[in-house]
Amino acid sequence: ETGVTQTPRHLVMGMTNKKSLKCEQHLGHNAMYWYKQSAKKPLELMFVYSLEERVENNSVPSRFSPECPNSSHLFLHLHTLQPEDSALYLCASSQSTSSSGANVLTFGAGSRLTVL
Amino acid sequence: GQSLEQPSEVTAVEGAIVQINCTYQTSGFYGLSWYQQHDGGAPTFLSYNGLDGLEETGRFSSFLSRSDSYGYLLLQELQMKDSASYFCAVSDNYGQNFVFGPGTRLSVLP
Repeated sequence: ETGVTQTPRHLVMGMTNKKSLKCEQHLGHNAMYWYKQSAKKPLELMFVYSLEERVENNSVPSRFSPECPNSSHLFLHLHTLQPEDSALYLCASSQSTSSSGANVLTFGAGSRLTVL
Repeated sequence: GQSLEQPSEVTAVEGAIVQINCTYQTSGFYGLSWYQQHDGGAPTFLSYNGLDGLEETGRFSSFLSRSDSYGYLLLQELQMKDSASYFCAVSDNYGQNFVFGPGTRLSVLP
């Protein structure tokens, strides 16, 4: 247990479905991140939130919609996904994005998404 | 663009010392980090080496040459449980943009 919990661990959805991934951190961190991990590709940063405000959006398609209602919770809302979006989606947190605490990311175990 | 290179696979025997290399080409540099990921598990932090200091954990240490855009992770007294994937990552600012390498699969043999 890393202190970052992701649910669901596995998700299968059709291209017309709408689903959400949830991340919760119990570490008192102020920054949260979504990463995508595909087979044979490096981890790709999708979104960064610092103090509940989005500070980074790496040209992610609009079918992925993040939400950060407070510093402990992060959601990734999914709609009209494509089969190539099948991947492991990892949530991470750090103490902040403006101090040395930002140097260490604590990851959750990920949500394995399969789009049919 | 930004890119990091790592060897795809490394094999070593139990008790040995192994070095995993990482070269990077990024628009900015603040620090080089290393993470370990077992199959089906979360990446976990091992080491950070950057402009604001050095952090290392356990048997893992790291080296950085900013002039050569190169770093490596050193694992000592290898154990079977060290078999995993290892990722280097470069941050170009206070953690706002970690760019990860493709990962190195380490196999530890008895």
